Amino acid sequence: AQSVTQLDSQVPVFEEAPVELRCNYSSSVSVYLFWYVQYPNQGLQLLLKYLSGSTLVESINGFEAEFNKSQTSFHLRKPSVHISDTAEYFCAVKGGNAGNMLTFGGGTRLMVKP
Amino acid sequence: DADVTQTPRNRITKTGKRIMLECSQTKGHDRMYWYRQDPGLGLQLIYYSFDVKDINKGEISDGYSVSRQAQAKFSLSLESAIPNQTALYFCATSPGPPGELFFGEGSRLTVL
Repeated sequence: AQSVTQLDSQVPVFEEAPVELRCNYSSSVSVYLFWYVQYPNQGLQLLLKYLSGSTLVESINGFEAEFNKSQTSFHLRKPSVHISDTAEYFCAVKGGNAGNMLTFGGGTRLMVKP
Repeated sequence: DADVTQTPRNRITKTGKRIMLECSQTKGHDRMYWYRQDPGLGLQLIYYSFDVKDINKGEISDGYSVSRQAQAKFSLSLESAIPNQTALYFCATSPGPPGELFFGEGSRLTVL
């Protein structure tokens, strides 16, 4: 079965510093990749996705992620974080051994400090 | 108003009680899902439905049942709640492949 590993459960960072949230998945077969964000007391919402084409995808609020097929990774980055980016971030994979369902990683809590 | 609405948002109950969590959506999507969120485990799929006549078990369906009353409504039941079902439950919808999910705000269930 497909597995998704988010290597860091918590990432503390100071405001305006860069951040990388790591995500690795197990299947090397064609997959769709997603990052979701969950703000406190809210449901998850889509941040960005890779379906095909350019391996670098961007969100409207400055996050980007790069699909690396050889390393089966889809790390999320932002060059300068804001307090408002404090949230939990989930990587998810669809396809490969997971078939038609999304498989989620365990989540990474990003804590931005002033 | 939210596109995906879950009720109740919070519920405390006792072991052995029957609980129903309800989900309704105004997005017009055929596909609906119930997930469970536990700290450090991400989201685990309980049940999903691709249309009114289609119900499928997810990875952790034991102890749960669902009903798809209409395209817009998908409810999750715990026939006899137990403490390890204490969790945050999310309903989600999607329009079809490749399947971006749209989530409700969650229902926090505590079983004492």
